[in-house]
Amino acid sequence: EIVLTQSPGTLSLSPGERATLSCRASQTVYNNYVAWYQQKPGQAPRLLIYGASNRATDVPDRFRDSGSGTDFTLTINRLEPEDFAVYYCQQYGSSPRTFGQGTKVEMK
Amino acid sequence: QVQLVESGGGVVQPGRSLRLSCAASGFTFNNYGMHWVRQAPGRGLEWVAFLWYDGTNKIYADSVKGRFTISRDNSKNTLSLQMNSLRAEDTAVYYCARDMRVFSPTDAFDIWGLGTMVTVST
Repeated sequence: EIVLTQSPGTLSLSPGERATLSCRASQTVYNNYVAWYQQKPGQAPRLLIYGASNRATDVPDRFRDSGSGTDFTLTINRLEPEDFAVYYCQQYGSSPRTFGQGTKVEMK
Repeated sequence: QVQLVESGGGVVQPGRSLRLSCAASGFTFNNYGMHWVRQAPGRGLEWVAFLWYDGTNKIYADSVKGRFTISRDNSKNTLSLQMNSLRAEDTAVYYCARDMRVFSPTDAFDIWGLGTMVTVST
């Protein structure tokens, strides 16, 4: 099973700043099949990014993904008020499809 | 409108059973792999089970293997999760989720339901 470790646990930033979220895998993720999800309180997760930097439908281009192998990064440029949430990475290159423990982006 | 709606959650005693359902609409259900994902209160996401689009391939997390059974009725556009021998640690919101592409061997989850809460307690 691939273990995903996200860092930091919490990121305190102001609107307009850049957020950089890290996701490190315990072994190489096949085909860089990593996805990122956003979850707000009381809501279901929402798919943001999937496999090699593809943004899901209606996801603004301020959300960018990078990385390969075992190290992946989600960057949110110019944080908007609606971006403050918890973000999870997931690998779907091998079974079971594991999630990281999440990074909370909170307003400073 | 593409939609997943879970039902069947509730409060149940340890050792008892519960069956969750997920009603799909707005897409061709029998073309997609489906999953159950859970989230314990205040915790992160945990993938629980997967079922291939035609029901031929099932995979479970170790934490539920032998206790939970995933199934689907493609004629009714419904995904189910039969949960037996429930434990306190199974307390969570249970989401059903869809693989993003048709007939995909593996994929991200692009559609999620709102979830149904399961509480295992005396």
